[in-house]
Amino acid sequence: GAVVSQHPSRVICKSGTSVKIECRSLDFQATTMFWYRQFPKKSLMLMATSNEGSKATYEQGVEKDKFLINHASLTLSTLTVTSAHPEDSSFYICSARTGQGADTQYFGPGTRLTVL
Amino acid sequence: GENVEQHPSTLSVQEGDSAVIKCTYSDSASNYFPWYKQELGKRPQLIIDIRSNVGEKKDQRIAVTLNKTAKHFSLHITETQPEDSAVYFCAASMGYTGNQFYFGTGTSLTVIP
Repeated sequence: GAVVSQHPSRVICKSGTSVKIECRSLDFQATTMFWYRQFPKKSLMLMATSNEGSKATYEQGVEKDKFLINHASLTLSTLTVTSAHPEDSSFYICSARTGQGADTQYFGPGTRLTVL
Repeated sequence: GENVEQHPSTLSVQEGDSAVIKCTYSDSASNYFPWYKQELGKRPQLIIDIRSNVGEKKDQRIAVTLNKTAKHFSLHITETQPEDSAVYFCAASMGYTGNQFYFGTGTSLTVIP
């Protein structure tokens, strides 16, 4: 149980285009999902907390207009990188809690974004 | 906010030896401490966790200890194997009252056959 999927696993796009990444909880309902960014050989940097049916809470320094997060259902959250630039190239990972009162976060497999 | 420090950043051990990774945290309100293992290009996988009402937890070759007074917790891997080679992250969270995980900077463990 507690499986989280992400799509796509890899994406290459041209500078200026937008890219959407999906995060799904496959066998549970996730009221809260988290989006992280990870640079090579670095730790996980929390970008935002996504709550179903409400606006995401962004961490300091993360541009909410650039990284659009939508959590329209209990099993799906999306991250859209708008007007992507080469500096947005990174490994993006989502995670989800299994339910109310549950501490543990289960991670998706990540999405490798490369902006040319 | 919470600040989690992790040491060492890299660790090499001979197969069969033990490995210890240490983390400290700053906020005494943190009460949940998971450890994740991440292989190159893969997702972080939860390997063990501990809550603040427990001082030690063990699962086969892996154990975690927690010292609430000193605000530090450690991961112990015994009888290491090459497949234990990965990056390990500790994290601290306030559990029910706050879901955010504060991650350590990671430890790259290499087990030499």
